[in-house]
Amino acid sequence: LAKTTQPISMDSYEGQEVNITCSHNNIATNDYITWYQQFPSQGPRFIIQGYKTKVTNEVASLFIPADRKSSTLSLPRVSLSDTAVYYCLVGDRNNDMRFGAGTRLTVKP
Amino acid sequence: EPEVTQTPSHQVTQMGQEVILRCVPISNHLYFYWYRQILGQKVEFLVSFYNNEISEKSEIFDDQFSVERPDGSNFTLKIRSTKLEDSAMYFCASSEAPSGGFYNEQFFGPGTRLTVL
Repeated sequence: LAKTTQPISMDSYEGQEVNITCSHNNIATNDYITWYQQFPSQGPRFIIQGYKTKVTNEVASLFIPADRKSSTLSLPRVSLSDTAVYYCLVGDRNNDMRFGAGTRLTVKP
Repeated sequence: EPEVTQTPSHQVTQMGQEVILRCVPISNHLYFYWYRQILGQKVEFLVSFYNNEISEKSEIFDDQFSVERPDGSNFTLKIRSTKLEDSAMYFCASSEAPSGGFYNEQFFGPGTRLTVL
């Protein structure tokens, strides 16, 4: 399983764009990159998934460079309710998800 | 919107007692998972289950743990003899396809908080 490295914490202000970068230097050819969000006392919730280049949905964008050794989750115009822990996971179809420590995002007014 | 449900929301037990945590996965999902999260720590994978058998388990999932799909809707986690260090939030999840693939989204339940005294 590819190991991931993310910042432990980040602070932002309402209305700003937040970019959280995850390093996964030993990502394998078949691995996908997936991001989950977790609010306190709740289960994780899927945000976005990608394999290469850029993926966008109604919640976030995911940027993956050509070498795929890192990825960046971009949250446009964050609000207080985006305060949560964000997890980057890397794996292939046959592996189960192993969460790291994640990035604790705090959005301030 | 379909969701994963878990019961009970909070379970308090004495050390050495058996507990069964229950989950109802989303009805058309075929893959089921259990995770735990000790307070203030990361989410830890315990086990995945498909076609009525364990497909993968972590080093945490030792002989004290077992899983079962007793009927067409429930998915249970049993801890035979609870220890103090089993105190944690236990999350059940389900998915249409194995994790990691393009359709890997796992849907998590709200969790059961287990407190072992």
